[in-house]
Amino acid sequence: EDQVTQSPEALRLQEGESSSLNCSYTVSGLRGLFWYRQDPGKGPEFLFTLYSAGEEKEKERLKATLTKKESFLHITAPKPEDSATYLCAVQAYLNYGGSQGNLIFGKGTKLSVKP
Amino acid sequence: DVKVTQSSRYLVKRTGEKVFLECVQDMDHENMFWYRQDPGLGLRLIYFSYDVKMKEKGDIPEGYSVSREKKERFSLILESASTNQTSMYLCASSSTQKQWTGAGDTQYFGPGTRLTVL
Repeated sequence: EDQVTQSPEALRLQEGESSSLNCSYTVSGLRGLFWYRQDPGKGPEFLFTLYSAGEEKEKERLKATLTKKESFLHITAPKPEDSATYLCAVQAYLNYGGSQGNLIFGKGTKLSVKP
Repeated sequence: DVKVTQSSRYLVKRTGEKVFLECVQDMDHENMFWYRQDPGLGLRLIYFSYDVKMKEKGDIPEGYSVSREKKERFSLILESASTNQTSMYLCASSSTQKQWTGAGDTQYFGPGTRLTVL
């Protein structure tokens, strides 16, 4: 069964203290891995899509990497405005089952950055 | 920019009422989705649609129905609202990429509707 596990559930950092969030996945054929940011009371905001192992993408203080079993979201010198819940999701290829277009979401990591 | 809008940010309804939640996207996406999000349970898929007038059940369709009469609009209907349907409801849309491109289908979300059923 396809599944996504994110760790830790919650992470508290001091401003400037770099760290990483983990997303472990099990899927028969990975079509894409997605990272979203979600602020309290709002809808998830798309950050990155990764397609193949070894791929990396960056946006400001965030860098996402992908291996065959997991993805990391590295946060360099975080600021209080980076506080949010970060969601990871995967999409499987149709030939390996799963519904067309559907994403499987992890439960998220709640990041708090203190000044 | 992709834009997905939802009809209400906050909604309060009484048990037994029929509730309509509307979602509109402006990017000509084929696919539209309805999720609910609850603390500790994450995002759960209720229904989705890959084309006008088409719908498929997600993981938790009980107590809900949907309607897609136009490509840009996807409605979620609670036939008889119950207190356990109090939740954050999120709509999303995506465009299906050709599989041979290796590109996944990025879903874009609306702002959400916080529904309270009393």
